[in-house]
This record gives sequence, C-alpha cells and structure tokens, in this order.
Amino acid sequence: GAVVSQHPSWVICKSGTSVKIECRSLDFQATTMFWYRQFPKQSLMLMATSNEGSKATYEQGVEKDKFLINHASLTLSTLTVTSAHPEDSSFYICSARGQRNEQFFGPGTRLTVL
Amino acid sequence: GNSVTQMEGPVTLSEEAFLTINCTYTATGYPSLFWYVQYPGEGLQLLLKATKADDKGSNKGFEATYRKETTSFHLEKGSVQVSDSAVYFCALGNQAGTALIFGKGTTLSVSS
Repeated sequence: GAVVSQHPSWVICKSGTSVKIECRSLDFQATTMFWYRQFPKQSLMLMATSNEGSKATYEQGVEKDKFLINHASLTLSTLTVTSAHPEDSSFYICSARGQRNEQFFGPGTRLTVL
Repeated sequence: GNSVTQMEGPVTLSEEAFLTINCTYTATGYPSLFWYVQYPGEGLQLLLKATKADDKGSNKGFEATYRKETTSFHLEKGSVQVSDSAVYFCALGNQAGTALIFGKGTTLSVSS
C-alpha cells in the first residue's frame, strides 16, 4: 500500500530557532500534499496545501512567512517552522494525495519548542 | 461551510461490548465520508469510507452507513476488543481530493 513517511518523528528546539519537517511519499508520486496541525486532544486543522512546483496555498490565519512550505519534487514536501516559539509546539501531520485522490497520512512529527 | 460533528469522549467499554460513535456532517454537494483511527503514538490510518448515500463502509468489524437524510455516518462495531482502544476521527472530503475536514476525535478505551 501507499506509504508516507515523516522526518523527524519528534524534535525539541530552542525558542527562536528554525525546524524543518520532511514529508515523503515512499512508493508513489504525489503532486499534492497537505499539512495539518493537531493540538492535544483536538482535531486536525489544515494549515496549507502543498503543490509540486508551485507556491503553497495557506489557510486563513496561517502565517506563510512563519510556516514555509516547499514541494520541490513529486515525493517530497517540507515544512519549515521559522523562529519557533513555545506556542508552535504541536503535532504536525502531512498527507499525500494518491492517483485516485485518496489521502495517505504520515505518522506525524511532534515539535516541542522550549 | 462544511463541518463535522463527532460525539465527545472518552468512551469506555468492556471487551465484547457494542460500540457506536456518532458523527454528523454539514456539507454542500455530495461529500465522501471517512473514519480514521489513530493508535497511541502512531499516525492516522483509514478505517473505512463511503462515497455516496446509502453506501456502507466496513473494515475489521467496524461499519458505517452514509445516511444523507440524517446527514450522519455513525461508526459501529458489534464486539470491541482491547486492541480497538484508539482515537477515532470522522472526516469529510470530496471526489476531487481536497483536504479533509475532521471531527474532534473520540477516544475509545476498551478494558478486559
């Protein structure tokens, strides 16, 4: 079946630093990937839609300069949290859209900003 | 706009009990409906889905029927196991594969 990986699975960083999270579709090509954010005991909220070769589309209220998304190839999208602050601590989940428009989710990345 | 409302948990059951997790939705057009499961420390896994009214999705003993008249997609299982303990998310999508809209999730705990 289709597999999506995320790296790292967890990361701890100091306030003010930047963190890059990778999302890879391992056995299929994905022109579209999605980035979600999940707060503890809450639902997944869409942050942005990442399209290969073009700029990401951000949801209302998501700062594009803070959450940089790059979808440089058909199997890789990256989310960089710039100048991270403690309120950015969260669980970040990506999904990749397959050929039949189904979505396959990565295992998530837990970010803790000290 | 589109939205999903899920019953709040946690739901605590004994092994072999009957499970129902309610999910209702608001949507324009003809959405697809999904149930995802998230086991502790893991990512989301698709449990089942239905793409049109009256469709029944089923997997691993779980079932849900797409009811357009009641805008519902309730998850049921006749006999739960300890291994079913997880967080269950109801979600709404479309045929074009845009991002999913999730409910808040329901935590299920099954004890032996």
